[in-house]
Amino acid sequence: DAEITQSPRHKITETGRQVTLACHQTWNHNNMFWYRQDLGHGLRLIHYSYGVQDTNKGEVSDGYSVSRSNTEDLPLTLESAASSQTSVYFCASSESGGYNEQFFGPGTRLTVL
Amino acid sequence: GQSLEQPSEVTAVEGAIVQINCTYQTSGFYGLSWYQQHDGGAPTFLSYNALDGLEETGRFSSFLSRSDSYGYLLLQELQMKDSASYFCAVGGGYQKVTFGTGTKLQVIP
Repeated sequence: DAEITQSPRHKITETGRQVTLACHQTWNHNNMFWYRQDLGHGLRLIHYSYGVQDTNKGEVSDGYSVSRSNTEDLPLTLESAASSQTSVYFCASSESGGYNEQFFGPGTRLTVL
Repeated sequence: GQSLEQPSEVTAVEGAIVQINCTYQTSGFYGLSWYQQHDGGAPTFLSYNALDGLEETGRFSSFLSRSDSYGYLLLQELQMKDSASYFCAVGGGYQKVTFGTGTKLQVIP
């Protein structure tokens, strides 16, 4: 069965370190998204991609970057982790054409000390 | 930009009907969708409305009024397993959505 996976599921890091969160989907979807979820804010879009070599900034992109070298993967990098980036991170994917539901990964809980 | 408002918490009795409202302000509108998220889990898609009216999927229905910038999710015959957070989301551009802050539904016996 097709799926979307994230790794690691839990991560503790220190302020200033670079961190990369992995997202891998086997749906063969062109569209991929990264969200963060914090109490009181719901899901906020960090970055998104509509296909290989395409990346776009979302509403809370500062301090984050992504790259899309193939259809299956969209890794999220925190260049220099800050305590304000402690959050739960969700990756999602969707088909192209019109509007389609987003399929979410299980999430990564990141703690920055 | 986009902004959405939905109640933060709702409590309802098992077997009853509950309605979760969502109002939105958006600079572009492609439809209103709803997602369910259980504690510790990932959001899962429930429904999507692009046009005015009611969409029914089993015990869940979703309604949209584009002229009122308003929609709701209706859950019938509530079950304990329906206790979760429900998010409305506005599609304001190609495939990109903005999520509301979520409504935590507690179903009590």
